[in-house]
Amino acid sequence: QKEVEQNSGPLSVPEGAIASLNCTYSDRGSQSFFWYRQYSGKSPELIMSIYSNGDKEDGRFTAQLNKASQYVSLLIRDSQPSDSATYLCAVNTGRRALTFGSGTRLQVQP
Amino acid sequence: DAGITQSPRHKVTETGTPVTLRCHQTENHRYMYWYRQDPGHGLRLIHYSYGVKDTDKGEVSDGYSVSRSKTEDFLLTLESATSSQTSVYFCAISESKGSETQYFGPGTRLLVL
Repeated sequence: QKEVEQNSGPLSVPEGAIASLNCTYSDRGSQSFFWYRQYSGKSPELIMSIYSNGDKEDGRFTAQLNKASQYVSLLIRDSQPSDSATYLCAVNTGRRALTFGSGTRLQVQP
Repeated sequence: DAGITQSPRHKVTETGTPVTLRCHQTENHRYMYWYRQDPGHGLRLIHYSYGVKDTDKGEVSDGYSVSRSKTEDFLLTLESATSSQTSVYFCAISESKGSETQYFGPGTRLLVL
């Protein structure tokens, strides 16, 4: 079992819709959770971090964390074609550095 | 953008040759990391550093060594490059231990023939 799992996609949504990206992790001791966005050929850039159970909103983005279910998600409201990218979930398990999922490719159709 | 540069940005080399990749930061952050990114594997940690001359191995450290003689520079060396080391290499920095946000450099594309 991978430590951090994501559906590779592609997840295709129409412009203006809500995109829901999901991530599960195996280590119950994980404390910090991050979502990065990576455009093709570019480096990952941080979108959101979340540390506590519940929702955290930043503009069109909402991160949701459920530690009991070992689940973290990212919602993108009013999706735009410019949101088309690969979204990486990263988890800090308290060991060395972040552990990344393989990423979900999002396609927003105009 | 965080002040992180990587050099070279692209490199083609032959199997068996040594290769050194450089990561340079202007943020004075304590922690620096080297990751490789391959299709289907996401980002995997190679080595990291928690201070000058202080380094430790990541999950895919075989065939790689690192050095950090100054806060701002973190070098990754492939002693004898193999085709399996063809990848995109990213450097990252963070102000404190891995629980905090990491910022990534632009990446180096390495092709080993």
